[in-house]
Amino acid sequence: QSVLTQPPSVSGAPGQRVTISCTGSSSNIGAGYDVHWYQQLPGTAPKLLIYGNSNRPSGVPDRFSGSKSGTSASLAITGLQAEDEADYYCQSYDSSLSGSKYVFGTGTKVTVL
Amino acid sequence: EVQLVESGGGLVKPGGSLRLSCAASGFTFSNAWMSWVRQAPGKGLEWVGRIKSKTDGGTTDYAAPVKGRFTISRDDSKNTLYLQMNSLKTEDTAVYYCTTLIVATIRRFFDYWGQGTLVTVSS
Repeated sequence: QSVLTQPPSVSGAPGQRVTISCTGSSSNIGAGYDVHWYQQLPGTAPKLLIYGNSNRPSGVPDRFSGSKSGTSASLAITGLQAEDEADYYCQSYDSSLSGSKYVFGTGTKVTVL
Repeated sequence: EVQLVESGGGLVKPGGSLRLSCAASGFTFSNAWMSWVRQAPGKGLEWVGRIKSKTDGGTTDYAAPVKGRFTISRDDSKNTLYLQMNSLKTEDTAVYYCTTLIVATIRRFFDYWGQGTLVTVSS
């Protein structure tokens, strides 16, 4: 059972901007823990896309950006491209006594129309 | 180039055991914290457990669904991470990914991922 909530799907035409929300609580994102994002292309392993709320690893295009505020975070993709069609997951750390410590979002499927 | 290559997956009956391996290269394995993350068919990602580097104590931590059944270990001389899975249940069916784990106060994330190995628990 995922602790972080994401919309199941978002879609956009090539060139458009789409955003994916990630809603947590006071024991994870709201407690100050960073949010990270992963991209999973069809049939492949997840890949780190954004770390520390808004930092891109080397090689990740700058059309991907992240932000965090309060108990939520967002991933934005500007200039949407066909190769961006994938599943996206947010991830943080949860400090509550019960449950998983490293928590993931429910995942969002991005469709390029 | 960092490489993580998992092996050992397969079909096992409920109640059975399986050991997964993850061969690491391209970085100083002995200094790395490592983790296992799984993904059930058609589902999202779920953290399984982690092991610290020996310099940081080498201790392990597990998610509640696998605690007491799964054991993570490492052989730094072979640059290899292991996941021993006992008392397997049908709900353990998933692709298991080996990952590096970065932990720095409020910043805790999975840096590099292997390609995954499929474990199917079925009678």
